[in-house]
Amino acid sequence: QSALTQPASVSGSPGQSITISCTGTSSDVGGYNYVSWYQQYPGKAPKLMLYDVTDRPSGVSDRFSGSKSGNTASLTISGLQAEDEAVYYCSSYTSSGPLDVVFGGGTKVTVL
Amino acid sequence: QVQLVQSGAEVKKAGASLKVSCKASGYTFTDLYIHWLRQAPGQGLEWLGWINPNSGATISARNLQGRVTMTRDTSITTAYMDLKSLTSDDAAMYYCARAIGVFKKWSFDIWGQGTLVTVSS
Repeated sequence: QSALTQPASVSGSPGQSITISCTGTSSDVGGYNYVSWYQQYPGKAPKLMLYDVTDRPSGVSDRFSGSKSGNTASLTISGLQAEDEAVYYCSSYTSSGPLDVVFGGGTKVTVL
Repeated sequence: QVQLVQSGAEVKKAGASLKVSCKASGYTFTDLYIHWLRQAPGQGLEWLGWINPNSGATISARNLQGRVTMTRDTSITTAYMDLKSLTSDDAAMYYCARAIGVFKKWSFDIWGQGTLVTVSS
């Protein structure tokens, strides 16, 4: 059972927008702006897509955007493309429990 | 270019110890924290701990304390993760990853290629 809750799957057609949610608690997502999102293709290492809720590393498309409300963070992918089909993980710093960083269980994005 | 290169796949017996290395290049090794994470087959990501390559200070996940040790050798810009008393639950892909910034140590922008660890009984 992952500390952060993500939907198992989200799908959309090319060109559409999709949003992935990531729900935690006031000890992690709700308490700090240290939410990150990672994209992972099968057999590959994760790639950082967003950090500090809304910031994009250099080279990441501006089709990826983030937000947070209360204990839930969200990743939105606009103008969905075939290459966006991957698993997306959210993570957050946490001030409770045995870990400093917690992850969601991952969301498989399917481009129809 | 900036990269982290990890040591190769390992096959270990239950009860044995594991040591994974992570060679950094393309940036100042002592500037940014190195984190260790793992991913069991078909599962999500699990954070294991971090090391400050400058001071050598470490923090590890409390559920692994006593079993995991993180070290570094600044002369060869390499970080290491030792895990002892392996069980089948430790079978996973192990990653090292670099924190994105000095004051942004909870996001990881550069990842190693991963080290696959198999544990046999």
